[in-house]
Amino acid sequence: AQSVTQLDSHVSVSEGTPVLLRCNYSSSYSPSLFWYVQHPNKGLQLLLKYTSAATLVKGINGFEAEFKKSETSFHLTKPSAHMSDAAEYFCVVSDRNRDDKIIFGKGTRLHILP
Amino acid sequence: SAVISQKPSRDICQRGTSLTIQCQVDSQVTMMFWYRQQPGQSLTLIATANQGSEATYESGFVIDKFPISRPNLTFSTLTVSNMSPEDSSIYLCSAGRGYGYTFGSGTRLTVV
Repeated sequence: AQSVTQLDSHVSVSEGTPVLLRCNYSSSYSPSLFWYVQHPNKGLQLLLKYTSAATLVKGINGFEAEFKKSETSFHLTKPSAHMSDAAEYFCVVSDRNRDDKIIFGKGTRLHILP
Repeated sequence: SAVISQKPSRDICQRGTSLTIQCQVDSQVTMMFWYRQQPGQSLTLIATANQGSEATYESGFVIDKFPISRPNLTFSTLTVSNMSPEDSSIYLCSAGRGYGYTFGSGTRLTVV
């Protein structure tokens, strides 16, 4: 069965500095990996996804993530944080060749310091 | 990608009653999923609903408490039965396959 571990429950960075949100996954089959963002009292928004094409995936709002099979990681990065990036971020895994259900990580709360 | 309309968006219910949440998808989808998001926590998968078959429930969730219907390829309902305050959560539906998923906007349920 697939699983996903977000290594940090909270991350704080200063505005204008890089963001790194870490995610490791476990999957028996060919995984699809996603990052979603949830702003307070808002719905889920897809940031980016990996589905077996290019390992470096670019998403919206300047975010990107790199799929590293050897490390079973899919870390989310952004070169320069903005105040509007403050939100909850979820790493999500799906086994494409199995039952397609998606499993959410526990989430990382990103705080942006002025 | 598909668009999902979920309703109600929120409700306040008395304990012991039931609430049915509806999700309508604007295109035919094979797989639909129901999630619960308790306050301050991540999303937990309740069940997978495929059209024409019984829903598959995850560990800790049972059909008597969360009956699901999937009458066609564009619609599904989740009922939260015999509610208690512990059922206060956001409930979300989702549709898609391994290449992409869409989420409903969620139902914020408060049980008093």
